[in-house]
Amino acid sequence: EAGVAQSPRYKIIEKRQSVAFWCNPISGHATLYWYQQILGQGPKLLIQFQNNGVVDDSQLPKDRFSAERLKGVDSTLKIQPAKLEDSAVYLCASRPAGYTGELFFGEGSRLTVL
Amino acid sequence: KQEVTQIPAALSVPEGENLVLNCSFTDSAIYNLQWFRQDPGKGLTSLLLIQSSQREQTSGRLNASLDKSSGRSTLYIAASQPGDSATYLCAVGSVNNAGNMLTFGGGTRLMVKP
Repeated sequence: EAGVAQSPRYKIIEKRQSVAFWCNPISGHATLYWYQQILGQGPKLLIQFQNNGVVDDSQLPKDRFSAERLKGVDSTLKIQPAKLEDSAVYLCASRPAGYTGELFFGEGSRLTVL
Repeated sequence: KQEVTQIPAALSVPEGENLVLNCSFTDSAIYNLQWFRQDPGKGLTSLLLIQSSQREQTSGRLNASLDKSSGRSTLYIAASQPGDSATYLCAVGSVNNAGNMLTFGGGTRLMVKP
């Protein structure tokens, strides 16, 4: 079974530029999460999708971050304009529908903002 | 708001020792708890998933316990090996107004010395 796929793996940009990350969850997984992990910290939830609807985006900085999950499969996370403090690993995770399913993570996309 | 704390933040042990990693959470109304391993520059690998109705789960040299009433979970690693060196994260699944969410602790960085 293929895992959660993310791209790009690494991205270096200058502040005020924009960047987009892509995630393809495990086939059939209805729930998709984007997490931000700053170096030395645990992941912090940015947004959660159930199929193509947003369940929770309370911690998403909506002035610069946006995310979508068209057709309830792939998802993209965009940052525009980027700030220095956005340097982090952006992790995508998925799991089957329901509260009790195991969570599966992709390898992450490491962003460096200069 | 659920808060998850992991103690210790870092741990260094000689090979062969048995060790315990701790995870505590503030809201006992959880539906599951998951332990992950993260190697440097990598995504998160699921180790053990404990449902709220369970007391423990075992996989090889790993044993995770859950005490919902006291808001605690422990990850026991028997006969540690240098290959166990990684960061270990616990994530607590709980329900909020928006649905379900997973909250991570800050992780415990483990180094097992040969």
